[in-house]
Amino acid sequence: GAGVSQSPSNKVTEKGKDVELRCDPISGHTALYWYRQRLGQGLEFLIYFQGNSAPDKSGLPSDRFSAERTGESVSTLTIQRTQQEDSAVYLCASSLGPWTGASTDTQYFGPGTRLTVL
Amino acid sequence: AQKVTQAQTEISVVEKEDVTLDCVYETRDTTYYLFWYKQPPSGELVFLIRRNSFDEQNEISGRYSWNFQKSTSSFNFTITASQVVDSAVYFCALSDTSGTYKYIFGTGTRLKVLA
Repeated sequence: GAGVSQSPSNKVTEKGKDVELRCDPISGHTALYWYRQRLGQGLEFLIYFQGNSAPDKSGLPSDRFSAERTGESVSTLTIQRTQQEDSAVYLCASSLGPWTGASTDTQYFGPGTRLTVL
Repeated sequence: AQKVTQAQTEISVVEKEDVTLDCVYETRDTTYYLFWYKQPPSGELVFLIRRNSFDEQNEISGRYSWNFQKSTSSFNFTITASQVVDSAVYFCALSDTSGTYKYIFGTGTRLKVLA
């Protein structure tokens, strides 16, 4: 498949446990984004990776959230000491790269990981 | 600050009716991009259209059409002859061109097309 893939599709965890979510971007896409979608709401930006540049972490809600990306490949979003308010769908998106006036900034989304914290 | 407002929370129409989804945005950027995405019950966001701030030409693609008006900061989306398969949540988004190009999303409009 040529699309963005995410795993797991569903994750149920107990409050206080750590979870790790994975995103595989479209091959060749240098930009990668994580968003959070709470039930019935829009998407909130979490973090942005562009190539080997320092990530933009301005959307991370607390220091319990962190993310890594190796080069232009897989990214993992880690939530430590999960809380019930972390329950949401976590969506990953990728794009060709910085805006150049073409369509390189159009983001393509994965199917998401539904996280439920009990 | 940038903001996207989708005032319509939920719309229900009968199949074959036309329906317009509203989107109003706020930005101080002179160059920006607007997007519409569809989120069917399966959950995956599907890209529909991208529009440049300097191109106000409206677009029609099959049963879909978009009306972009900078004067009113609106980017509305119309489905003609709606079908049950159009039932989904539709999101309007604005691209932050200041550096990360992250999207600022509206809260979405849930469209229900009844047979």
